Amino acid sequence: GAVVSQHPSWVICKSGTSVKIECRSLDFQATTMFWYRQFPKQSLMLMATSNEGSKATYEQGVEKDKFLINHASLTLSTLTVTSAHPEDSSFYICSARVRQGAGGYTFGSGTRLTVV
Amino acid sequence: GNSVTQMEGPVTLSEEAFLTINCTYTATGYPSLFWYVQYPGEGLQLLLKATKADDKGSNKGFEATYRKETTSFHLEKGSVQVSDSAVYFCALDDNTDKLIFGTGTRLQVFP
Repeated sequence: GAVVSQHPSWVICKSGTSVKIECRSLDFQATTMFWYRQFPKQSLMLMATSNEGSKATYEQGVEKDKFLINHASLTLSTLTVTSAHPEDSSFYICSARVRQGAGGYTFGSGTRLTVV
Repeated sequence: GNSVTQMEGPVTLSEEAFLTINCTYTATGYPSLFWYVQYPGEGLQLLLKATKADDKGSNKGFEATYRKETTSFHLEKGSVQVSDSAVYFCALDDNTDKLIFGTGTRLQVFP
């Protein structure tokens, strides 16, 4: 089935530094990928939708300059948290729309970001 | 707008008990409905889905039936195991290329 690989699974960084999270579709082409943020014991909040070769569409209230999304190829989307602060600490999950076979959505395993 | 409402957790059960997690939705048209499961520290895994009214999704002993008349997609399992302890998310795809999630329901199963 369609698999999305997300790396790293966890990362600790210092305040003020930037962190890049990668999301790769392994056996299919993902023209559309989604980035979610999840706070402890809460649901997933959609941050942005990225389409290959074009600018990402951000949800209301999400800072574009803070969370940079690049979707340069059909198999790779990246989320860069720039100038990270402790309040950016969260669980980030990517997802891809699967357009072949049974369709639907497949999710990465998530990245736990801790900013100290 | 479209939305999904789930019963609040946590749901605490003994092993082999019957499970029901309620999910209702508000949507125009004919959305597809999903249940996802999230184990601690992991991403989401698709548990089951239904794409049209009266469809029943099933997987690993879990079932949910798409009820358009009651706009519901309740998750059920006849006999839960400790390994079923996780957070369960109900979601809908309203064909706008986005999933809309419920708030999630934490299930805790004790031996």
